[in-house]
Amino acid sequence: EADIYQTPRYLVIGTGKKITLECSQTMGHDKMYWYQQDPGMELHLIHYSYGVNSTEKGDLSSESTVSRIRTEHFPLTLESARPSHTSQYLCASSEYSASQETQYFGPGTRLLVL
Amino acid sequence: QKEVEQNSGPLSVPEGAIASLNCTYSDRVSQSFFWYRQYSGKSPELIMSIYSNGDKEDGRFTAQLNKASQYVSLLIRDSQPSDSATYLCAVRTGGFKTIFGAGTRLFVKA
Repeated sequence: EADIYQTPRYLVIGTGKKITLECSQTMGHDKMYWYQQDPGMELHLIHYSYGVNSTEKGDLSSESTVSRIRTEHFPLTLESARPSHTSQYLCASSEYSASQETQYFGPGTRLLVL
Repeated sequence: QKEVEQNSGPLSVPEGAIASLNCTYSDRVSQSFFWYRQYSGKSPELIMSIYSNGDKEDGRFTAQLNKASQYVSLLIRDSQPSDSATYLCAVRTGGFKTIFGAGTRLFVKA
């Protein structure tokens, strides 16, 4: 079982504010992911990273940015929050393996932008 | 056609019954298959992984994989109300991407 942490768990913020959602894992996993999920809806991949200094945009267009300076840390930043960013943000990590890769999820951050 | 398809449900079964959840995928060279459980408002939790054709059992859960038919299923025996959740099928494709289905909502009636 992976140890993966997200902070804050809940965030209410006003429009236009800059926010950073934190994600860290202690398993030394190379790959990390950010997903966005609205209530009752499917997961959408917004960013991923294969390792330090490697980041890629996912399938869902997002106004957020990410960085991967350390293996264990993969923060997501919104420069200017908008009500359309209200959602749940899930971070995941996995060991890199060509054939067998299992993603483990953090507890998520629920974001409400007023 | 979506890469991973699941019936959105809801699937309703009585307590003690067998719940059968199904998933189809489009990439023929997919290699790894996963079932996650997600309670309302929570994050997905891995419950089963399967890599070879056939059945894999873990407690009350059995995953079944048929690569020729591009079909993977999850059976939950002796269903309990605590099994009520959304079950996500995930497939690691030949392109080394993990694709999640939209999930099937399961209700187990006491």
